[in-house]
Amino acid sequence: KNEVEQSPQNLTAQEGEFITINCSYSVGISALHWLQQHPGGGIVSLFMLSSGKKKHGRLIATINIQEKHSSLHITASHPRDSAVYICAVPSGGSQGNLIFGKGTKLSVKP
Amino acid sequence: DTGVSQNPRHKITKRGQNVTFRCDPISEHNRLYWYRQTLGQGPEFLTYFQNEAQLEKSRLLSDRFSAERPKGSFSTLEIQRTEQGDSAMYLCASSLDGVGFEQYFGPGTRLTVT
Repeated sequence: KNEVEQSPQNLTAQEGEFITINCSYSVGISALHWLQQHPGGGIVSLFMLSSGKKKHGRLIATINIQEKHSSLHITASHPRDSAVYICAVPSGGSQGNLIFGKGTKLSVKP
Repeated sequence: DTGVSQNPRHKITKRGQNVTFRCDPISEHNRLYWYRQTLGQGPEFLTYFQNEAQLEKSRLLSDRFSAERPKGSFSTLEIQRTEQGDSAMYLCASSLDGVGFEQYFGPGTRLTVT
């Protein structure tokens, strides 16, 4: 069974700072997901990536398959980026369900 | 299509009562997943359906929990004889068939058992 570790658990930043959130997993995977969860519970998929790097606006996700590690970066952070960021990987097998990290709670102060 | 919807959004119930939640997935998605999330934790897998067939259940899903997807469209999750430990956010997600497709999440149903 795959295990997912995220760091840090909590992160406070000033508006404009560059943010990095890290995710490590224990078993090789086909793809890794980065998700965003706002207060109130709704989860939005940010990225699904299997290699290299993806960029969407101010968000950048990278993955190193050999090292079983991924990072989520936020450039020029803004208070509206405040949310919980969750890393998730497939559990393995054919069912396709995800195993999630505990999340990183980001708070961006104006 | 408006995405995955869940009802109700919030449910407060007394211990021992039964509750039922509904999830309406994106219409062309064959796969439907139920997850549970407690405070400060990431979601945990409960069960999933491929069309109307329930193909996998987590050991977290005790005998008091039952899920159905009768026509391969919407799904219901019922909890019988609720306990305080059942208090959590119940999340539904759907995806196309197969591993590696993006999962789309609903807003969740927050259950509070008093």
